[in-house]
Amino acid sequence: ILNVEQSPQSLHVQEGDSTNFTCSFPSSNFYALHWYRWETAKSPEALFVMTLNGDEKKKGRISATLNTKEGYSYLYIKGSQPEDSATYLCARGAGSARQLTFGSGTQLTVLP
Amino acid sequence: NAGVMQNPRHLVRRRGQEARLRCSPMKGHSHVYWYRQLPEEGLKFMVYLQKENIIDESGMPKERFSAEFPKEGPSILRIQQVVRGDSAAYFCASSPGRGPHEQYFGPGTRLTVT
Repeated sequence: ILNVEQSPQSLHVQEGDSTNFTCSFPSSNFYALHWYRWETAKSPEALFVMTLNGDEKKKGRISATLNTKEGYSYLYIKGSQPEDSATYLCARGAGSARQLTFGSGTQLTVLP
Repeated sequence: NAGVMQNPRHLVRRRGQEARLRCSPMKGHSHVYWYRQLPEEGLKFMVYLQKENIIDESGMPKERFSAEFPKEGPSILRIQQVVRGDSAAYFCASSPGRGPHEQYFGPGTRLTVT
């Protein structure tokens, strides 16, 4: 994998469903993996930063895991609510660089 | 505690004019990043600055674009002689310091070149 890739591109779920998305990234020279939540007309909102293989982070109904050896991270949302509707971005930081390389995002729509 | 502030939120320029975009980081943050989102594309890194220093400008176009973060005042992204292809949303983010800190984003400046 040369770039940060996210799947699926878009997702529609019913309120109350649990869902998850995938972020794949180059595992070489890994530094950190960031997850952001981006609602239309707002700023990207930082959810998690993970650095260690096996890291798991949780914030309310949202959690994330990290596998740096194989280069992937999962974001889970338990019991989706309409207010969870947003684009979820992952971004990889590499080496000593502070710049982030973003994926194209997963657009989640939660139907009431 | 104000977040990252950017102004203007919308900027319209004619081809050949200059565009100046401003970013005030969160209080206590000394690191600023600029990202660009072209139409139908994702966020792309442009430049990383600390006070009075450009740390990484590997994402900046080679010509017409420059950035600064002076000792006092906001960070400025300057685009000279704008062209239609510069039309995009420009986002600024800030972080407190070294290490894999979260980057906090501003609301962006939407530049339209007519």
